[in-house]
Amino acid sequence: EPEVTQTPSHQVTQMGQEVILRCVPISNHLYFYWYRQILGQKVEFLVSFYNNEISEKSEIFDDQFSVERPDGSNFTLKIRSTKLEDSAMYFCATTQGIHNEQYFGPGTRLTVT
Amino acid sequence: QKEVEQNSGPLSVPEGAIASLNCTYSDRGSQSFFWYRQYSGKSPELIMSIYSNGDKEDGRFTAQLNKASQYVSLLIRDSQPSDSATYLCAVNRLNTGFQKLVFGTGTRLLVSP
Repeated sequence: EPEVTQTPSHQVTQMGQEVILRCVPISNHLYFYWYRQILGQKVEFLVSFYNNEISEKSEIFDDQFSVERPDGSNFTLKIRSTKLEDSAMYFCATTQGIHNEQYFGPGTRLTVT
Repeated sequence: QKEVEQNSGPLSVPEGAIASLNCTYSDRGSQSFFWYRQYSGKSPELIMSIYSNGDKEDGRFTAQLNKASQYVSLLIRDSQPSDSATYLCAVNRLNTGFQKLVFGTGTRLLVSP
């Protein structure tokens, strides 16, 4: 069964450093999302992406964040200058259409020290 | 008022019993409703989706939706210890182009052997 994959599974970085989190969507899916979950808290929407552009972003998704689909397969989330409060699980989710179910990848645990 | 509300639990049921999980949402424009299961340290796993009022059954799971009462529920029949997890209710509002899932905090279910 096709599934969403994410790399790395765990990333440790120092405050102020740039990180790139990668996602490979299910092959026929067209809509891509990033969510995050701070330990012990609920899953929060960050950004949605369709047709090579952002369709919606949350207040969390400020100028430090960016997304792109550099090669037609990977979907990446970049945090330019990480802060301690960026420590969280980051989940990529994809769906075939906006009326369809979103399937989540296994997540990347980001630890900012 | 929270957008999606769930009782955090834990909800404890014996093996073989029916577990009933509830969720209310505040946005009457919500159109799609989902139940995800999340094991500790793992990503959300889709269990059920429901789009219209009434019941939808899939194996041991039944989702119920009442848009007038802004209420979604999930019934798990013949509960197993492996069902012990946090169950996340999520809603998706599409009529104004919103494509994000809004999650509740989740209900922790414990099924005892």
